[in-house]
Amino acid sequence: QVQLQESGPGLVKPSETLSLTCNVSGYSISSGTFWSWIRQPPGKGLEWIGNIYHSGNPYYNPSLKSRVTLSVDTSKNQFSLKLNSVTAADTAIYYCARDLWGNYCFEYWGQGVLVTVSS
Amino acid sequence: IVLTQSPGTLTLSPGERATLSCRASQTVISNYFSWYQQKPGQAPRLLIYGASSRATGIPDRFSGSGSGTDFTLTISRLEPEDFAIYYCQQYGNTWYTFGQGTKLEIK
Repeated sequence: QVQLQESGPGLVKPSETLSLTCNVSGYSISSGTFWSWIRQPPGKGLEWIGNIYHSGNPYYNPSLKSRVTLSVDTSKNQFSLKLNSVTAADTAIYYCARDLWGNYCFEYWGQGVLVTVSS
Repeated sequence: IVLTQSPGTLTLSPGERATLSCRASQTVISNYFSWYQQKPGQAPRLLIYGASSRATGIPDRFSGSGSGTDFTLTISRLEPEDFAIYYCQQYGNTWYTFGQGTKLEIK
């Protein structure tokens, strides 16, 4: 079955770059659909960060667009998030997810990784 | 598009019927409207997509309805495992937004 697994540092210093990778198994990224990053500050709601198609065309949340870069590596069946100039407000659980094709919703989710921004 | 969920907290007993609401600030394409359930320490789980279609493995006590700006998630008879936080979500103009969530708690 489709599985997603986030990986990356759990602690990032203010003003530095947060980098996460999502490894996908049970499905080839090249087969299609969109791949997203979503975050959730502790005790708060969900915020979509952006998504990317297997061909590499990214779309970003306008509120984060200036600081976010998404990329995809089909050879490794993974996709990645970079968020620069982080502050404490970027502390959150970061999830990767796969779209349900044609319905623009999130059918499969990773377990999430907590990233704390602190010096 | 801003999604506003009500109530913020809903307190009910097992066996009762739950009705959760989500109102959009602009018209939403029904095909692009969804509901999720999230339990503590877990990722959200897709319940309903296309406003009214149940996702794979979702029990039929969960149903979705609505169109335009008003959408509803109904749980016909609450089971103990249904007490959780529920989020609505829409897609439009190349980006996705979520409601702030409704917490369904046990009376």
